[in-house]
Amino acid sequence: QQQVRQSPQSLTVWEGETAILNCSYEDSTFDYFPWYWQFPRESPALLIAIRPVSNKKEDGRFTIFFNKREKKLSLHITDSQPGDSATYFCAASASYNQGKLIFGQGTKLSIKP
Amino acid sequence: ETAVFQTPNYHVTQVGNEVSFNCKQTLGHDTMYWYKQDSKKLLKIMFSYNNKQLIVNETVPRRFSPQSSDKAHLNLRIKSVEPEDSAVYLCASSVGGGNYAEQFFGPGTRLTVL
Repeated sequence: QQQVRQSPQSLTVWEGETAILNCSYEDSTFDYFPWYWQFPRESPALLIAIRPVSNKKEDGRFTIFFNKREKKLSLHITDSQPGDSATYFCAASASYNQGKLIFGQGTKLSIKP
Repeated sequence: ETAVFQTPNYHVTQVGNEVSFNCKQTLGHDTMYWYKQDSKKLLKIMFSYNNKQLIVNETVPRRFSPQSSDKAHLNLRIKSVEPEDSAVYLCASSVGGGNYAEQFFGPGTRLTVL
C-alpha cells in the first residue's frame, strides 16, 4: 500500500531544543524520501532528502535518520529557531513511479522563543 | 525571474460552474504536476506531464481534465465544480520525469465553491 504516515500531528518545542519528527511507510519499493516544509501562506519547498543507500543525511541543523528494516525515518532539527516554525511533510516515491510523490499528512512544528 | 507561476491566485464560484487554472514555469523543467491541498493541508498528486505527455493520472473525478500545450505550460479544467473541490491547487515542476528530482511549487490557486 502506498501510504506515508507522520507523527506527531503537531509539536511544540522551546527555542534551542531538538525537535524530532517521525515518518513511517508501508511500500518497500519506495527509494526516495524528501522532506518538504511549508510556511503559512506559502507553498511547500524541499528541505532535505535521503535515498536508502545511506541511513543518515545531514544538512546543517537538519538530519534525517533512516531505518530501512523498520520502514521508518525521522527528521531531527537541532538548536530549533522560531523561524523553523512550519508544517513539515515527509514524502516518498519509487523509481518506477514517474516521480510520483506520496505525502504524509504533515507535522505542524511551533518553536517557542 | 525563473519560477513557477499560477493564475488566478483565488477563484470563488458556484456549484456546477466550470473553472480553469493556468500554470507556467520558466525553470526550463520538462515535468509538471498538479497537486490538491485540502483544508487539512493534505497534499495529493492529481496529474503529471513529462514533455506534454501525461505520465501520472491519479484516480480523480472525470470532471478534472489537465492539458499541456508545451513542457512549460500546464492547465487544469474542472467541469461542473462540487463543494468538495474547494482546496488549493498547486502546480509544480521538476527536471526529468523520474525519481529523485526536487519539485518546485507555484504559489497555488485557492478555489472556493459556494
